[in-house]
Amino acid sequence: DAKTTQPPSMDCAEGRAANLPCNHSTISGNEYVYWYRQIHSQGPQYIIHGLKNNETNEMASLIITEDRKSSTLILPHATLRDTAVYYCIVRSTYTGANSKLTFGKGITLSVRP
Amino acid sequence: GAVVSQHPSRVICKSGTSVKIECRSLDFQATTMFWYRQFPKKSLMLMATSNEGSKATYEQGVEKDKFLINHASLTLSTLTVTSAHPEDSSFYICSAPGSGGIRHEQYFGPGTRLTVT
Repeated sequence: DAKTTQPPSMDCAEGRAANLPCNHSTISGNEYVYWYRQIHSQGPQYIIHGLKNNETNEMASLIITEDRKSSTLILPHATLRDTAVYYCIVRSTYTGANSKLTFGKGITLSVRP
Repeated sequence: GAVVSQHPSRVICKSGTSVKIECRSLDFQATTMFWYRQFPKKSLMLMATSNEGSKATYEQGVEKDKFLINHASLTLSTLTVTSAHPEDSSFYICSAPGSGGIRHEQYFGPGTRLTVT
């Protein structure tokens, strides 16, 4: 079972920041927070991950609360191409057969013109 | 970044026939690959873990005799849907984990849309 909860959907205006929340109140100390997204009829795409510090890359920023029970993915300037289902996933950092991901329902982000 | 391909991207078959889907890691080796299934408007559900040189590990409720997995090499895993039925119509996606410096990422193929008539 997924260990995260996300609102089912949200929308934002093109060019504005999109803030996608995620709750993971039962996260363990050795578990990371990962974000993936899936554009319609495509395979999921890795966005970002973090343990406890805030992270930023060319795609997004990840803000993790101090108690690590929730996080927010920020797309600073959303475009129409960012319309997708965004999945927040927690898991330990394993490799090989133990690195499987458990997907929840995700949040559908709709970016409007 | 690392690339995973799938073939075919779309297939239509008749009920009772078998369909093979290939998953390839193009520029890296993958001792493990994962197969997911996704029904319309649903999330991805893990079907099985494919292990190079050994038997696949199936998730609870997935019939191993119906969904045959062969991980023949470090860059190729195949999923064969045997005696397909309309309820097997779905979007099948494979993935492979990164290793070393890219171990945090999981690389997904573009998916295969299977329609059983």
